[in-house]
Amino acid sequence: SYELTQPPSVSVSPGQTARITCSGDALPKQYAYWYQQKPGQAPVLVIYKDSERPSGIPERFSGSSSGTTVTLTISGVQAEDEADYYCQSADSSGTHLVFGGGTKLTVL
Amino acid sequence: EVQLVESGGGVVQPGGSLRLSCAASGFTFDDYAMHWVRQAPGKGLEWVSLISGDGGSTYYADSVKGRFTISRDNSKNSLYLQMNSLRTEDTALYYCAKDMGEQWLVLDIWGQGTMVTVSS
Repeated sequence: SYELTQPPSVSVSPGQTARITCSGDALPKQYAYWYQQKPGQAPVLVIYKDSERPSGIPERFSGSSSGTTVTLTISGVQAEDEADYYCQSADSSGTHLVFGGGTKLTVL
Repeated sequence: EVQLVESGGGVVQPGGSLRLSCAASGFTFDDYAMHWVRQAPGKGLEWVSLISGDGGSTYYADSVKGRFTISRDNSKNSLYLQMNSLRTEDTALYYCAKDMGEQWLVLDIWGQGTMVTVSS
């Protein structure tokens, strides 16, 4: 089955830039999406179609794509950004969603 | 306000059945595909199932195919998940989620989830 691979954890100091990667063979053909999940809360969509930002999401969140890897970048990280981040895409059939294993972002 | 509210979770024995419901409000329900996503305690997100806006197309993760059935009643703005032959590994928080379009395969609105515990 299709898999998306994320690093388990990323740590940054406040004000620095955090980059979270997600790798998958179908990513050159399928869009990637990113969700933020804080403890005890439902996930929130922060990036769609590789690099688009939904309304209400701060500009410090951005996304990019290169080959089989997509990247979520959080510029000027704030304490409130500490959360789990999940990438998501679809398999080659375009009918099954796939999530990455999640990355815990720690703000030091 | 766009809102999704799940219900129907609970404790069930292995081999048992449960039906989850999701009440939608604040948007034109039949314009959008809908999904179920689950999260086992302390684990990541797992997509479960998708249904098209008119209910004519359904898709399932391999882990639940043949045991779970997704359905919707557009007259009631409601989404359902019938879960049969439940296993301990089905224990999770089950989220109802709205697709951003008609099968864009991106989830822009999530409910708060309903907990399903499969245990003897």
